[in-house]
Amino acid sequence: NAGVTQTPKFQVLKTGQSMTLQCAQDMNHEYMSWYRQDPGMGLRLIHYSVGAGITDQGEVPNGYNVSRSTTEDFPLRLLSAAPSQTSVYFCASRRGANLGYGYTFGSGTRLTVV
Amino acid sequence: QKEVEQDPGPLSVPEGAIVSLNCTYSNSAFQYFMWYRQYSRKGPELLMYTYSSGNKEDGRFTAQVDKSSKYISLFIRDSQPSDSATYLCAMSINAGGTSYGKLTFGQGTILTVHP
Repeated sequence: NAGVTQTPKFQVLKTGQSMTLQCAQDMNHEYMSWYRQDPGMGLRLIHYSVGAGITDQGEVPNGYNVSRSTTEDFPLRLLSAAPSQTSVYFCASRRGANLGYGYTFGSGTRLTVV
Repeated sequence: QKEVEQDPGPLSVPEGAIVSLNCTYSNSAFQYFMWYRQYSRKGPELLMYTYSSGNKEDGRFTAQVDKSSKYISLFIRDSQPSDSATYLCAMSINAGGTSYGKLTFGQGTILTVHP
C-alpha cells in the first residue's frame, strides 16, 4: 500500500498565483485532513473531511479551499497565494473515529511563496 | 498563550541515556493525549496514545499523563541514535465522531541521540 501520497513535494509560487496541492490515500480511510507546519507553531489544522462530500474548516482555513468528491482524494486549493502561506503542508488520514488508530501522514509539500 | 506548550529544545543526549520530553496545557477539557514522532523530511507518525490520567508503556517508551497538573511526559529508556527525531505532543477534547476529534499539537522537541 502507498499510504498517503502528496504531490508535488516542492513548489515555488509567486504572490497572487493559485494552485492545488494533491492528496490521495489508498487505505479507504474516512477521515482526512490538511495541516500546515511552521517553525515554533506546531501543526495547525486547515480543513478536514469525515467522508466523501463532507468538509469543514479547521483552525486556519482562510485562503484555502477543499473538496472531497471521492473517499481517496482530498485536494487543497490555494486561491491567491501570499507569502504568509509559505509552509510545509501535510495531508493526513485516519481509519475511523477512534484517535487511537492514529493519523497516517503524507511526506509533505514544501511551499514557498515569493 | 498557546493551549499546548512544548519546549522546542534542541535536546542532545548520549546513546543509552533516559530522555524526558514534556508538554503542558491550559485546557482542562483535553482527555486524549498522543505523542507523534517525526523524522526529518517526513510526516509525523503515532508513537503513543493514552486516555485520561495514568501511565502507558510500550517497549522503551512510557507516556505519563497528569491531568491535575495539566502535564504530560514521554520517557525514552536506553535511547538510540535511531530515536533522533522531532517529538510532538498532541491532545484532543473528544475522540471523534461528528466532532472529528480535532488535535491540538505542541511545537515539537528536536531530539538528537549521539552514538
